[in-house]
Amino acid sequence: GESVGLHLPTLSVQEGDNSIINCAYSNSASDYFIWYKQESGKGPQFIIDIRSNMDKRQGQRVTVLLNKTVKHLSLQIAATQPGDSAVYFCAEISKEGGKLIFGQGTELSVKP
Amino acid sequence: KAGVTQTPRYLIKTRGQQVTLSCSPISGHRSVSWYQQTPGQGLQFLFEYFSETQRNKGNFPGRFSGRQFSNSRSEMNVSTLELGDSALYLCASSSLGEKLFFGSGTQLSVL
Repeated sequence: GESVGLHLPTLSVQEGDNSIINCAYSNSASDYFIWYKQESGKGPQFIIDIRSNMDKRQGQRVTVLLNKTVKHLSLQIAATQPGDSAVYFCAEISKEGGKLIFGQGTELSVKP
Repeated sequence: KAGVTQTPRYLIKTRGQQVTLSCSPISGHRSVSWYQQTPGQGLQFLFEYFSETQRNKGNFPGRFSGRQFSNSRSEMNVSTLELGDSALYLCASSSLGEKLFFGSGTQLSVL
């Protein structure tokens, strides 16, 4: 069945270091992927998205990489800051649209 | 531009009661979807509405229902509440059903 899963439930990094959060997906037909950040007490916040016809997309301090061969997605955060501490979810859009399939989430903790 | 607004922010109900949650999407967005978030199950899709029609439905029992109004505002209803329905209920809106923007959610506690 369809599933999107994350490799690591927790990640701890030093402030200023780069962070890499990984995600595996199982539906090779999915063509759109999104990374969300969720802080305590808030809803998921859109970070960056990527379509399956791209391998890489960059935003402000964030980069998403997509490897369709191994069905792997990663989020790279440059110069991680304490404000980046949150749970990060990858999600894929089903073919029907409007339905996100979420991974379990990775909790990122940034040490000052 | 105002974001997705969900009300109420917190709710406490007892088993057997019913509850209605409200969501106002971002202006101009016609797609509204609902998700349930629990520590054990993560984020799970409930249903999606587009132009007042339910377009997608997740694997939840019939006690969970929703609707969308002509102004794109949406409500979801849960009848005969069970303890396991305690969760954060999130509403998301989008213009065409792809890039979803979430509200802060309604935290429902069933006692």
